[in-house]
Amino acid sequence: GQSLEQPSEVTAVEGAIVQINCTYQTSGFYGLSWYQQHDGGAPTFLSYNGLDGLEETGRFSSFLSRSDSYGYLLLQELQMKDSASYFCAVRTRSGYALNFGKGTSLLVTP
Amino acid sequence: NAGVTQTPKFQVLKTGQSMTLQCAQDMNHEYMSWYRQDPGMGLRLIHYSVGAGITDQGEVPNGYNVSRSTTEDFPLRLLSAAPSQTSVYFCASSVLAGGQETQYFGPGTRLLVL
Repeated sequence: GQSLEQPSEVTAVEGAIVQINCTYQTSGFYGLSWYQQHDGGAPTFLSYNGLDGLEETGRFSSFLSRSDSYGYLLLQELQMKDSASYFCAVRTRSGYALNFGKGTSLLVTP
Repeated sequence: NAGVTQTPKFQVLKTGQSMTLQCAQDMNHEYMSWYRQDPGMGLRLIHYSVGAGITDQGEVPNGYNVSRSTTEDFPLRLLSAAPSQTSVYFCASSVLAGGQETQYFGPGTRLLVL
């Protein structure tokens, strides 16, 4: 089967940098995605890593190591609006949908 | 584009009732999925479809049926509602490009089964 592990909660200070880790076990790995969800809202796509290394999109970066079955999401210059849940996800064995981790709740404090 | 739309936004059912959650997308995406989200459980895949006429089960399919008669619509049917189906339901459509699948989620349907 497939499983993804990520911390349940992270707290950081406004303006700081925070890293959210994700380890996975899956067959037929295609890549690691990250989604953001504000309380009560729909998840929205943040980033994708298909190959090893770092992908940067503005204040957000995501890293993947396929050999370690590990990735992380890095958020820089944290803002209060970054308080949300963050999910890592991998494509299912069929390749046509995603399996999500249980999510990390990020609280940004003043 | 409206993106992915879901109706209703909220619904209260009694145990044993049936209902259909509607989902539509106007992005001409081939892939559509249904997830449920419960506290502390993340998003769990119920059913998905890779095109009109083609559906398959996800992680938690029991108690739910789907069909895909058109590219745009992907309704989810609860056959006989149970309190364990109280959840938030998200529909998503997705596009696969360069090996990357990007999912676009609807606003969700909040379902309470009494």
